[in-house]
Amino acid sequence: AQSVAQPEDQVNVAEGNPLTVKCTYSVSGNPYLFWYVQYPNRGLQFLLKYITGDNLVKGSYGFEAEFNKSQTSFHLKKPSALVSDSALYFCAVRDPWGGGTASKLTFGTGTRLQVTL
Amino acid sequence: EAQVTQNPRYLITVTGKKLTVTCSQNMNHEYMSWYRQDPGLGLRQIYYSMNVEVTDKGDVPEGYKVSRKEKRNFPLILESPSPNQTSLYFCASRARHEGRLGANVLTFGAGSRLTVL
Repeated sequence: AQSVAQPEDQVNVAEGNPLTVKCTYSVSGNPYLFWYVQYPNRGLQFLLKYITGDNLVKGSYGFEAEFNKSQTSFHLKKPSALVSDSALYFCAVRDPWGGGTASKLTFGTGTRLQVTL
Repeated sequence: EAQVTQNPRYLITVTGKKLTVTCSQNMNHEYMSWYRQDPGLGLRQIYYSMNVEVTDKGDVPEGYKVSRKEKRNFPLILESPSPNQTSLYFCASRARHEGRLGANVLTFGAGSRLTVL
């Protein structure tokens, strides 16, 4: 069964500092990996995805993530955090070759990012 | 504007009173899904649909029903709501076929906050 772990419930960072939100996954095959962001009273918005190719993927709002197959990780990063980045971030995984569950997207429990001045 | 629309956004009801949360998308997406979001548990899939008249259970289907009579609509039905179904519900859709633009990326509705007393 596929799973996602986000080990930190909350990450605190000062504006202007780099940020990292951690994600590790478990699937039987090669994964599709995603990051979504949720702002207060809003639905989830897509940030970026890894399907294949370059391990470093760039997404919206200056975010990027690196796929590391040996460590089964897909950490979200941004070189310089903004107060407006404060939100709830979800990592998600899909195993497209997972037979009956190939369409299934499994989400982590979410990490709240708090960026302060 | 491409979007997923859910209604109602907020609802307070009582145990046992049947209710329906509607979901409609205007992107001609084949795949639609319902999730519930609970603190500390992230998003859990309730039901999903690969296409018209094709639905299947997710991780937490108990107490819910769905139907997919038309491609754009995917209502979530609670026949006899109970307090443990108090949650934030999200509908989402995506293109099913890998070659389509935006395939793999879920578009979420704004959410429906349901309270069952």
